[in-house]
Amino acid sequence: DTAVSQTPKYLVTQMGNDKSIKCEQNLGHDTMYWYKQDSKKFLKIMFSYNNKELIINETVPNRFSPKSPDKAHLNLHINSLELGDSAVYFCACQEKGRGSRETQYFGPGTRLLVL
Amino acid sequence: GESVGLHLPTLSVQEGDNSIINCAYSNSASDYFIWYKQESGKGPQFIIDIRSNMDKRQGQRVTVLLNKTVKHLSLQIAATQPGDSAVYFCAENRGGSNYKLTFGKGTLLTVNP
Repeated sequence: DTAVSQTPKYLVTQMGNDKSIKCEQNLGHDTMYWYKQDSKKFLKIMFSYNNKELIINETVPNRFSPKSPDKAHLNLHINSLELGDSAVYFCACQEKGRGSRETQYFGPGTRLLVL
Repeated sequence: GESVGLHLPTLSVQEGDNSIINCAYSNSASDYFIWYKQESGKGPQFIIDIRSNMDKRQGQRVTVLLNKTVKHLSLQIAATQPGDSAVYFCAENRGGSNYKLTFGKGTLLTVNP
């Protein structure tokens, strides 16, 4: 079974649309993340949730809203999509909570293309 | 700006050779470092990590070296294989109450058969 799964794998949409990306982890980890990887492969953290509580919120536009319905899921909703939102979005999870130094496990990524 | 960077954006080696991928960091407070491998079309995959109280750690065919004096991290891959071709990232945890990884720019390793 895949430890961290994301849907959809590919997402092509028009500017101005609203879309959601879903992430699920079956590792029982407490903390989940969203990262954005640009065309130059640079990985940058966007959000982090620990037990459904937001603990990291980088300077991400308000159009991005994470939602964690339970510990195993962290979804990302994006309003009014812009061309610059085109990127690969990765979900990740970590076993322990805040202050832990354990490694993060990444999902396969969602490739978003905004036309 | 980001404090973690890589000296070489690309590295090409012959199959069977040893590979060394370097990473520089500037934050003295960083106390935990990870190397990730990202194959084309996939998510980053954990390779090896090291805490700041160590200067060397070995895994299967991989070794991470940490030099805190010059804030340098390296990943050594022994007997490089075509399956090692990927982008390699170093990442640092700068400590603090929230666990956040800051990633370097990545090095593309190409292994020639």
